[in-house]
Amino acid sequence: DIQMTQSPSAMSASVGDRVTITCRASQGISNYLAWFQQKPGKVPERLIYGASTLQSGVPSRFSGSGSGTEFTLTISSLQPEDFATYYCLQHNNYPWTFGQGTKVEIK
Amino acid sequence: QVQLQESGPGLVKPSETLSLTCTVSGGSISSYYWSWIRQPAGKGLEWIGRIYTSGTTNYNPSLKSRLTLSVDTSKNQFSLKLSSVTAADTAVYYCARDGAPSCRGGRCDWFMDVWGKGTTVTVSS
Repeated sequence: DIQMTQSPSAMSASVGDRVTITCRASQGISNYLAWFQQKPGKVPERLIYGASTLQSGVPSRFSGSGSGTEFTLTISSLQPEDFATYYCLQHNNYPWTFGQGTKVEIK
Repeated sequence: QVQLQESGPGLVKPSETLSLTCTVSGGSISSYYWSWIRQPAGKGLEWIGRIYTSGTTNYNPSLKSRLTLSVDTSKNQFSLKLSSVTAADTAVYYCARDGAPSCRGGRCDWFMDVWGKGTTVTVSS
């Protein structure tokens, strides 16, 4: 299985901060990577797919980059509604595998 | 727009079979892949497996010996059966659209773009 390692696992940040979350794959996955946001008790929502394509309706402060084994999700200016847990997901090799999640909390 | 709804028993006894159905509305189930994902309380997401509308399946090896996915295109539904369940199978189970054969590369508009609301399944006697 491809291991997806997210860092950090948790972080505290303030409104307006620039936030970067990293996802590393244990082997190359090209651009077969998506990012999801999940708020407590809610369904995960896709933010980014194909490593860098922004989901329609998602604010432009979210962006994704990377290819191969290293990927980043960046929130350019953190907003109150962005406090949530973020997951990466690779779909290059079976089984699809998620990162362990990054919880973004209010500082 | 396409909507998904999971249904099935919320309580299953240990050693029995967990059965869930996902109903697709607002669009056709045909020509797409469909996945199941689960999430134990307070933990991360785990991909269970996926099925194409032809019936072709891909399973997570960690569950493969106990898992059966099926599809009923006439009802616009796909289903999951997980046998010999234990407390470790207690989780919220989600269904989601998982792409299409027409997708090329990782940039697939229909990959995990639509999810059901999830259904909680507890394994307990």
